[in-house]
Amino acid sequence: QSVLTQPPSVSGAPGQRVTISCTGSSSNIGAGYDVHWYQQLPGTAPKLLIYGNSNRPSGVPDRFSGSKPGTSASLAITGLQAEDEADYYCQSYDRSLRGWVFGGGTKLTVL
Amino acid sequence: QVQLQESGPGLVKPSETLSLTCTVSGGSMNSYYWSWIRQPPGKGLEWIGYMYYSGSSNYNPSLKSRVTLSADTSKNQFSLKLSSVTAADTAVYYCARSPSSVWADYWGQGTLVTVSS
Repeated sequence: QSVLTQPPSVSGAPGQRVTISCTGSSSNIGAGYDVHWYQQLPGTAPKLLIYGNSNRPSGVPDRFSGSKPGTSASLAITGLQAEDEADYYCQSYDRSLRGWVFGGGTKLTVL
Repeated sequence: QVQLQESGPGLVKPSETLSLTCTVSGGSMNSYYWSWIRQPPGKGLEWIGYMYYSGSSNYNPSLKSRVTLSADTSKNQFSLKLSSVTAADTAVYYCARSPSSVWADYWGQGTLVTVSS
């Protein structure tokens, strides 16, 4: 059972927009800690996608965007492409655990 | 471009100590935090701990009694030791760089460690 809750799967057709939610609690996201997102392509290491709720590292397309309203966060992917098919993980800091916590991951399928 | 590479035994016996090293190339270890994260086969990510290049560290409470992190900045390496391993510790282990101790920007490719007799 992960501290942060994500939907197990989402899907969309090429060109569409999908969102992935990440729900926390008052000891992590709700306490004001930032949310970060990682993309894990099949058989590879996670790659930083969004940091500090909404910032994209250099090289990440602007099709990927993050937001953090309240005790939840959201990753949006617009203009879906086949290469976006991957697992996506959210991550934050939890003040009760005094460390990092991850969501359980969301598998994105591009139909 | 910063690159990280994990190395160590791929098979560890139950009750023994898992030891992994992460070699950093393309940049200095100074002024960064260095993290370990693991992923059991077919499952999600679990944070193990991080350490600042100068030595302070923070561990996952569920693993704290068994984990030791250390660094040798002269070799641009940092290490993980996990004692008294069981089959539940079987996972791909990743090392990563953390600019601010709260997220990881560069990751190693990961190394699978299997705990089995």
